[in-house]
Amino acid sequence: DTEVTQTPKHLVMGMTNKKSLKCEQHMGHRAMYWYKQKAKKPPELMFVYSYEKLSINESVPSRFSPECPNSSLLNLHLHALQPEDSALYLCASSQDLVTDTQYFGPGTRLTVL
Amino acid sequence: SQQGEEDPQALSIQEGENATMNCSYKTSINNLQWYRQNSGRGLVHLILIRSNEREKHSGRLRVTLDTSKKSSSLLITASRAADTASYFCATDDTDKLIFGTGTRLQVFP
Repeated sequence: DTEVTQTPKHLVMGMTNKKSLKCEQHMGHRAMYWYKQKAKKPPELMFVYSYEKLSINESVPSRFSPECPNSSLLNLHLHALQPEDSALYLCASSQDLVTDTQYFGPGTRLTVL
Repeated sequence: SQQGEEDPQALSIQEGENATMNCSYKTSINNLQWYRQNSGRGLVHLILIRSNEREKHSGRLRVTLDTSKKSSSLLITASRAADTASYFCATDDTDKLIFGTGTRLQVFP
């Protein structure tokens, strides 16, 4: 199984809402990532978890809160987002090293009203 | 920014033609990867080339790497409509991948 799954596929939320994005992989990968991608731009790294510990936070605003409950799951908790946070949020995983081949989920299309 | 630059930004070709896209980067690397992204979906890994390799093939894909020029190219031979996508190079930066600006490829039937 080389699949990374993400839910939901689409999410519309108001600026006062709290929501969560979920990501799951069953490849035994020990590194997991959140990326943000705006239209016609490359993915931008947000967070990296390595062996279930947060190893990189790319100066992401605190309204985004990552969580890694176990080695297969990665969540991104959203609170008080701004319209400019609307984007495609991608989850990825890799075997070990951050620079190994990364396997991406299909993404969550987030719209903040 | 350490982001790689890709050119062209967009490329339109007919089915059966070859497509070449180029990536230039700024820092020393251990490896360089190419990914494909269909519209609005996740990225799919295509090929990884290590810094001590000069060329690598995978099916209809051919990747070259010139570390002296800090550049790489991706050649897709005998393109198909299904190859329509955005293509990104990605270089390793100590502890993370840095994606290039991307090339949008359109293959017309």
